[in-house]
Amino acid sequence: DIQLTQSPSFLSASVGDRLTITCRASQGISSYLAWYQQKPGKAPKLLIYAASTLQDGVPSRFSGSGSGTEFTLTISSLQPEDFATYYCQQLNSYPLTFGGGAKVEI
Amino acid sequence: EVQLVESGGGLVQPGGSLRLSCVVSGFTFSSYWMSWVRQAPGKGLEWVARIKKDGSEKYYVDSVKGRFTISRDNANNSLYLQMNSLRAEDTAVYYCARARPSSSDYWGQGTLVTVSS
Repeated sequence: DIQLTQSPSFLSASVGDRLTITCRASQGISSYLAWYQQKPGKAPKLLIYAASTLQDGVPSRFSGSGSGTEFTLTISSLQPEDFATYYCQQLNSYPLTFGGGAKVEI
Repeated sequence: EVQLVESGGGLVQPGGSLRLSCVVSGFTFSSYWMSWVRQAPGKGLEWVARIKKDGSEKYYVDSVKGRFTISRDNANNSLYLQMNSLRAEDTAVYYCARARPSSSDYWGQGTLVTVSS
């Protein structure tokens, strides 16, 4: 199984900060990686697919990069509504797996 | 508007069974793979199962193989998860999601399954 390790798992940030979350895969997954945002009590929301493609309707302050085993999600200027937990997911091979999550708090 | 609505969750005793349903609208159901994803209370996301457009291919996480069965009814725009031999560790919110090659792009609101005596 492919393991995804997210770092950091928790970070404290402020409005306006530039924030980067890393997702490392235990083996190469090409660009089969997605990023999701989840707020308490809500379903996950897709932000980025194919490692770097912004989902329709997602603000341009979100961006993704990487391929192979190392990926990053960047928020260029953190907004109040961005405080949430972020997950990466690999879709290269079964079983599909998620990272452990990165909680962004004020 | 794309909508996915899960139902069928509830309280069940260990060893029991439950069938989850997900009714979709707003897109051509038969054109998409579909997935189930779960989240235990206070924990992260765990992919559970995925099914091909026509139901001919199914994939599962090891922890549910032989106990859970994913299926679909394209005529009725419905996705199912039959869960047998339930364990306490299956307690979670279960989400259905539309599957794409590099993501799950639309998700339902989830249905809570609690396995407890």
